[in-house]
Amino acid sequence: SAVISQKPSRDICQRGTSLTIQCQVDSQVTMMFWYRQQPGQSLTLIATANQGSEATYESGFVIDKFPISRPNLTFSTLTVSNMSPEDSSIYLCSVRPGQGLPLHFGNGTRLTVT
Amino acid sequence: AQSVTQLDSQVPVFEEAPVELRCNYSSSVSVYLFWYVQYPNQGLQLLLKYLSGSTLVESINGFEAEFNKSQTSFHLRKPSVHISDTAEYFCAVTLNTGGFKTIFGAGTRLFVKA
Repeated sequence: SAVISQKPSRDICQRGTSLTIQCQVDSQVTMMFWYRQQPGQSLTLIATANQGSEATYESGFVIDKFPISRPNLTFSTLTVSNMSPEDSSIYLCSVRPGQGLPLHFGNGTRLTVT
Repeated sequence: AQSVTQLDSQVPVFEEAPVELRCNYSSSVSVYLFWYVQYPNQGLQLLLKYLSGSTLVESINGFEAEFNKSQTSFHLRKPSVHISDTAEYFCAVTLNTGGFKTIFGAGTRLFVKA
């Protein structure tokens, strides 16, 4: 199974600033997924990041707000830009080691925007 | 559009009682089915999965789920719950197409009382 390291584990940020979240996987994976879990709610897929191509964003999420990098098969970053209190959430990086296999999740980044 | 519906947002039960957490899905393509568990202040963990074969799948801690294709359901059951089963349970489907993205249900909070 894949081991995912996500940094930072938590942060408190001021409105209008940006935060970049890093996700490192201990094995090469084709697809990496970024989710958001707002307080008391389920997981919502933000985007799918494939190495060598632009990320694919879900409805309601745009690249200007959540730019994603995927420079290689083991690493990705998600930036939350121009933050507002509504962006306070847990952001989760996940990977699927193979077709049909379940997602593996990092421990998440708990973001609080003041 | 694909969707996952968990019919109960909260399920309170007494210890040693049986429990069923309901999950229905809608998809125009074939899917893989999963249950994840999130204990308080922890990350998501895979509880069990259905990929193919026998429609009844079991976990190591006594949970089981049955895939019913005609009813598009994947209900989770346990014959006798413990206090330690108190957690949030998420049903999820992975679409067997394209980006293989995973969609989560809203979650069911299982609260086991002594």
